[in-house]
Amino acid sequence: SQTIHQWPATLVQPVGSPLSLECTVEGTSNPNLYWYRQAAGRGLQLLFYSVGIGQISSEVPQNLSASRPQDRQFILSSKKLLLSDSGFYLCAGAFPEAFFGQGTRLTVV
Amino acid sequence: GQQLNQSPQSMFIQEGEDVSMNCTSSSIFNTWLWYKQDPGEGPVLLIALYKAGELTSNGRLTAQFGITRKDSFLNISASIPSDVGIYFCAGLLYNQGGKLIFGQGTELSVKP
Repeated sequence: SQTIHQWPATLVQPVGSPLSLECTVEGTSNPNLYWYRQAAGRGLQLLFYSVGIGQISSEVPQNLSASRPQDRQFILSSKKLLLSDSGFYLCAGAFPEAFFGQGTRLTVV
Repeated sequence: GQQLNQSPQSMFIQEGEDVSMNCTSSSIFNTWLWYKQDPGEGPVLLIALYKAGELTSNGRLTAQFGITRKDSFLNISASIPSDVGIYFCAGLLYNQGGKLIFGQGTELSVKP
């Protein structure tokens, strides 16, 4: 069965600092991979998704970027965090069903 | 862009009651998924639906893929306190490379 590993679980970062969140997938090959942000415990906003290595679709213009350097690795990055980047970030993978990691609670201070 | 309209936004019910929630869209989806999320955790997949008209059960949960492929519903029978949480529908679009979008969620509260 598929397992999504996402870390760290919580992160506090100052405004203007860089960000790197990593997600890896086990138990499947060539999965679709997704990054979502969830604000206030409701509504998952799709940020990026990827159908293969190096292939990234961006859904919302923002201060973030994503990369997929390996088949089962998906990275969410920012060069300079904003206060508005705070939220609960979720990685998901596999196809057609998507399984989720445990999420990263990011607080930008 | 595509949107999923999920209703109701919240429900307050008595233990033992049945629950129904649904999602509708103006877009056609290839797969419908239903998830449950507990506070501070990632959503957990409950049911996956793959073709129009499909009716699938998972214990006390039943979900259906609408005939038009633009909607889906989830029923929970004989609710119990551990059913508390936020339920999400999600629709998958094959013609957009597997784009997966979510409804806004239904927050369920169950009173013992």
